[in-house]
Amino acid sequence: ELKVEQNPLFLSMQEGKNYTIYCNYSTTSDRLYWYRQDPGKSLESLFVLLSNGAVKQEGRLMASLDTKARLSTLHITAAVHDLSATYFCAVEGETSGSRLTFGEGTQLTVNP
Amino acid sequence: EPEVTQTPSHQVTQMGQEVILRCVPISNHLYFYWYRQILGQKVEFLVSFYNNEISEKSEIFDDQFSVERPDGSNFTLKIRSTKLEDSAMYFCASSEGRGNYGYTFGSGTRLTVV
Repeated sequence: ELKVEQNPLFLSMQEGKNYTIYCNYSTTSDRLYWYRQDPGKSLESLFVLLSNGAVKQEGRLMASLDTKARLSTLHITAAVHDLSATYFCAVEGETSGSRLTFGEGTQLTVNP
Repeated sequence: EPEVTQTPSHQVTQMGQEVILRCVPISNHLYFYWYRQILGQKVEFLVSFYNNEISEKSEIFDDQFSVERPDGSNFTLKIRSTKLEDSAMYFCASSEGRGNYGYTFGSGTRLTVV
């Protein structure tokens, strides 16, 4: 069974600081997704990482994928309050068809 | 940008009642999914649907659940006899294909069973 673990689960940081959220998964996969969710809202797609070594950047967020280590990171640069949300990684396992297995989410609060 | 549309946004139902949650996937997408998220918890896969049949389902998707694509545009999730523990946000998603296509999620239906 594919397991996906994120850490930290809760992250409180100050504006302007940098931080990294980690996503580990338990079986072989080369497709990993990052989503943002605001309270009571849907899942907004941030990044789709489709191969080992993939790195994508959008604004203050950068995501990377290391399939050998079964690890993805979401790096936040110079955080701003608008980034406050819950961030989920989700993995599409090789043997699980096209279903996504989600991590528990990282609740990020950026304080002024 | 194309959207996945879900209705209703919020449904309150009494325990034991049947509910139908509706979704309109993106028109050229071929794969459809239902996920649920219990308040404060992670998103869980329920079922995937392709070519008018279930392609995969999780252990959560037991006999009280069913899915249907009745008319070529809507994709529905029926819960036959709701329980308190079915209270959750239900998300529909669609994908153009399998592999490198990504998934688009709808805005969700919040189901409250009382």
